[in-house]
Amino acid sequence: EVQLVESGGGLVQPGGSLRLSCAASGFTFSNYEMNWVRQAPGKGLEWVSYTTSSGRTSLYADSVKGRFTISRDNAKTSLYLQMNSLRVEDTAVYYCARGRKYLVFWGQGTLVTVSS
Amino acid sequence: QSALTQPASVSGSPGQSITISCTGTSSDVGGYNYVSWYQKYPGKAPKLMIYDVSNRPSGVSNRFSGSKSGNTASLTISGLQPEDEADYFCSSYTTSSTLIFGTGTKVTVL
Repeated sequence: EVQLVESGGGLVQPGGSLRLSCAASGFTFSNYEMNWVRQAPGKGLEWVSYTTSSGRTSLYADSVKGRFTISRDNAKTSLYLQMNSLRVEDTAVYYCARGRKYLVFWGQGTLVTVSS
Repeated sequence: QSALTQPASVSGSPGQSITISCTGTSSDVGGYNYVSWYQKYPGKAPKLMIYDVSNRPSGVSNRFSGSKSGNTASLTISGLQPEDEADYFCSSYTTSSTLIFGTGTKVTVL
């Protein structure tokens, strides 16, 4: 059974940093492209970032470019999102999801709250 | 890039059919047959309902169908059931090699 489990969310002040993790199991992690998607309270889904199966290529939404970094450790079957210079508007539930042109499997999400 | 445009809400009675539209541009919806639809309940992870415009993943009811014409994609739910009451989001691959989501539609079963 495919499982994606996010962790690392919490309360952080504006300008602070946080690192999210996504532990994958039930499939050959190194074969699949991965994404981060977020949903702010009362808002819609927003694609955040993508990485290839090897981790060599990454893409970012304009709203996070230059502040967030996606990475992966295929040996540990884990995906990461390093979030720096956090803003109030980054407050959201962050999901990791497997796929490229559509997202088949999703984790349950981890809540990031940016507030002073 | 702005989100794809969906109606904020759509409602129908049990057994009826409803259609949710998703309007983009030639750089996303109109440019590729890579539109997908997701069902989301509050506090739960999104669930893929349709991919590549009109394909259903294994296990998804055939009451859900998708189509596309030009820059607008559509999700139709036929034989509406109480458990269909949820938020629905469309998504498309883009010319920037990224994904873009729709604004979301709340489906209410009357």
